[in-house]
Amino acid sequence: DAGITQSPRHKVTETGTPVTLRCHQTENHRYMYWYRQDPGHGLRLIHYSYGVKDTDKGEVSDGYSVSRSKTEDFLLTLESATSSQTSVYFCAIRNQETQYFGPGTRLLVL
Amino acid sequence: DQQVKQNSPSLSVQEGRISILNCDYTNSMFDYFLWYKKYPAEGPTFLISISSIKDKNEDGRFTVFLNKSAKHLSLHIVPSQPGDSAVYFCAASAKETSGSRLTFGEGTQLTVNP
Repeated sequence: DAGITQSPRHKVTETGTPVTLRCHQTENHRYMYWYRQDPGHGLRLIHYSYGVKDTDKGEVSDGYSVSRSKTEDFLLTLESATSSQTSVYFCAIRNQETQYFGPGTRLLVL
Repeated sequence: DQQVKQNSPSLSVQEGRISILNCDYTNSMFDYFLWYKKYPAEGPTFLISISSIKDKNEDGRFTVFLNKSAKHLSLHIVPSQPGDSAVYFCAASAKETSGSRLTFGEGTQLTVNP
């Protein structure tokens, strides 16, 4: 157990509305990641953070922004949700060479 | 450009037999490889990893083999148990890549029949 929680666990929203997902860790890890999982694609990196206020883009960052104002929290924001952002979102932390994942947030954009 | 590929979407084996899951990669910069197991409605769980300086790593019933010349890795589970039924993802990273980001394969659904 890497001490990672995600909230909310499930969310239904409408196209065009803003959505923020939260990832919280309890073990003070420097690196945190946001992935999305879609059928046929495995997990794809959206954004990651390498410290407070230090973030960088992943391979599918369009339409997403992130913020990290304190070590334990990493927020993922969809500024204006679209149906293509319906997915399962996973947060991860890195411990040495290995990433450990949270339980996920299932997001449905109608 | 799919840098990590798992060509078998599904695999079915009998309890007690060996399960072999395969993964191919194209990026020669990858130097660390991992396998994750995922049950429905849960996050991926780390299973086993291997560095590119090794060709085999074993942990209980799980063994990962790495063939660098073929850019191929495989996960062996023996003996397979019904509780092993899950989706298995292979992933790779390169130290030179910023953030040590992971690149995942598409996953293989393993079903172990009692």
